[in-house]
Amino acid sequence: EIVLTQSPGTLSLSPGERATLSCRASQRISSSYLAWYQMKPGQAPRLLIYGTSSRATGIPDRFSGSGSGTDFTLTISRLEPEDFAVYYCQQYANSPRTFGQGTKVEIK
Amino acid sequence: EVQLLESGGGLVQPGGSVRLSCEASGFIFSSNAMSWVRQAPGKGLEWVSTIGGSGAAGSTQYADSVKGRFTISRDDSKNTLSLQMNSLRAEDTALYFCAKDRGSGSYPNHFFDFWGQGTLVTVSS
Repeated sequence: EIVLTQSPGTLSLSPGERATLSCRASQRISSSYLAWYQMKPGQAPRLLIYGTSSRATGIPDRFSGSGSGTDFTLTISRLEPEDFAVYYCQQYANSPRTFGQGTKVEIK
Repeated sequence: EVQLLESGGGLVQPGGSVRLSCEASGFIFSSNAMSWVRQAPGKGLEWVSTIGGSGAAGSTQYADSVKGRFTISRDDSKNTLSLQMNSLRAEDTALYFCAKDRGSGSYPNHFFDFWGQGTLVTVSS
């Protein structure tokens, strides 16, 4: 099983600042099978990024994904008030599909 | 617009059973693999089970933690996904999400492009 470790656990930032979230895999993830999701309480999770760097439909271009192998990054270039949430990475290279433990982006 | 609406959650005793349902709309349900993902209170996300779409509808996958206790199924005539949960344990307490798989390859090379809001299952005496 591929274990994904996200860091930091919590990121305290102000609107307008840049957020950099890390996701490290316990083994190489082939073919960039890495996705990112946003979760807010009481709402359905939302797909942001798939294939490491492809934005899902309707996702603003302030969200970007990068990385390869075992190290992946989600960057939010300028935080908007609606971006404060919990973010999860997920690998879909191997079974079982696994998620990181999440990074909470909170208002400073 | 894709919509996934889960139902069937509630309070159930340890050892008991519950059946979750997910009504899908806004896409060709029969063509898509579908999954259940759960989130225990204060915890992260855990994939639970997947069932294949057209041509592979008989194909099912389960997390080790639920294998032999949970059964995933689908009714393409009703655009409905189900999860029969038996022999429930306290550690099965979670918010259960229905999710639509997407990917160019076969399982497990799918991510989840749409999710429902979830239904809460609480296992407690």
